Amino acid sequence: DADVTQTPRNRITKTGKRIMLECSQTKGHDRMYWYRQDPGLGLRLIYYSFDVKDINKGEISDGYSVSRQAQAKFSLSLESAIPNQTALYFCATSGGQGADYGYTFGSGTRLTVV
Amino acid sequence: KNEVEQSPQNLTAQEGEFITINCSYSVGISALHWLQQHPGGGIVSLFMLSSGKKKHGRLIATINIQEKHSSLHITASHPRDSAVYICAGSQKLVFGQGTRLTINP
Repeated sequence: DADVTQTPRNRITKTGKRIMLECSQTKGHDRMYWYRQDPGLGLRLIYYSFDVKDINKGEISDGYSVSRQAQAKFSLSLESAIPNQTALYFCATSGGQGADYGYTFGSGTRLTVV
Repeated sequence: KNEVEQSPQNLTAQEGEFITINCSYSVGISALHWLQQHPGGGIVSLFMLSSGKKKHGRLIATINIQEKHSSLHITASHPRDSAVYICAGSQKLVFGQGTRLTINP
């Protein structure tokens, strides 16, 4: 099993629908992140959580919400999907001590809003 | 202005060439990460640097704290090195735009 698992891998949804992207990890890391990637714009931070009780907005949080259900689970919701939310979404975790500190990414969720 | 700037944006080279990708970053970034994204989309963390130099196989990453500059080098490049290389800084990962590297056989 992957260290960071994202579901679904691909999703097509209609404008106005609510959709949830899920992320679970087996790294034991406290810190989790959601990013989106658009062609030509690179990766941008949507939300991040440094522990179960800590949720913070990132650079582009409008139109999104998150839930940190447990240390291992961090889900991203689009309350009312719109076409410009079509993108590749990545969940990531970070942790470790000193020189071992690092990030682990999920495989991504390709979301298309029609 | 992006806090992390990469150059070049695209790089094409022949197999065996020595590759250098550069990254400049702003004040407030205390550690820099180099990531690799393959054509399938998956992202792998290569290095985290806060000082000096790190080496893993044919990959070498260096950082100059005073100049706020980092470089990723690939020796004896191979077509399988073709990917997008991304530098990122700070605790929440502020990403550069990425460098698309293509190594031709």
